[in-house]
Amino acid sequence: GESVGLHLPTLSVQEGDNSIINCAYSNSASDYFIWYKQESGKGPQFIIDIRSNMDKRQGQRVTVLLNKTVKHLSLQIAATQPGDSAVYFCAENGGYQKVTFGTGTKLQVIP
Amino acid sequence: DGGITQSPKYLFRKEGQNVTLSCEQNLNHDAMYWYRQDPGQGLRLIYYSQIVNDFQKGDIAEGYSVSREKKESFPLTVTSAQKNPTAFYLCASSISLAGVYEQYFGPGTRLTVT
Repeated sequence: GESVGLHLPTLSVQEGDNSIINCAYSNSASDYFIWYKQESGKGPQFIIDIRSNMDKRQGQRVTVLLNKTVKHLSLQIAATQPGDSAVYFCAENGGYQKVTFGTGTKLQVIP
Repeated sequence: DGGITQSPKYLFRKEGQNVTLSCEQNLNHDAMYWYRQDPGQGLRLIYYSQIVNDFQKGDIAEGYSVSREKKESFPLTVTSAQKNPTAFYLCASSISLAGVYEQYFGPGTRLTVT
């Protein structure tokens, strides 16, 4: 497979358990955040976004939490499935092309 | 189906040759981007374009060139001046550069230069 997932922190979870993936961001002026999922050899896919005027947003099986005080973002995946195995990374957007991508966390789901 | 296509998926070139990576979108997006992805690193911006016939350098533009003659197309040329061209290249688009909008990514092209 592709080498995108090499040298990344890895989170291993049992199928059916909840997963929590964390991301620290750097720019206190960032006002829009996105979580992407990237499967081996493919381009990133949008999962969920959140704007800085919110601290929580829920999607289908996913929840994003934003803590602006400590510049921390987390992605929670409920009832993790084998198809959730991928690299997950956050992106912060400070507006007008100031987008910064995190390096990512590899999620391994153990059947 | 709307989306972004990149071709080819794998590309092999000899050192010293220029190579052009294709990116096409039918999402009617104004803005398009090229990123490079290396193991253990976040995506790094090479070039971006917010409108036809206009493009700007990103953080790592040296050794690369682009054109934006049509709204749908944003090809990237990796020149022989790029010192470490082997990487996974991702094209993306968004509705606009202004404000904050999600970027949609293509499937990527893996370039290997030997």
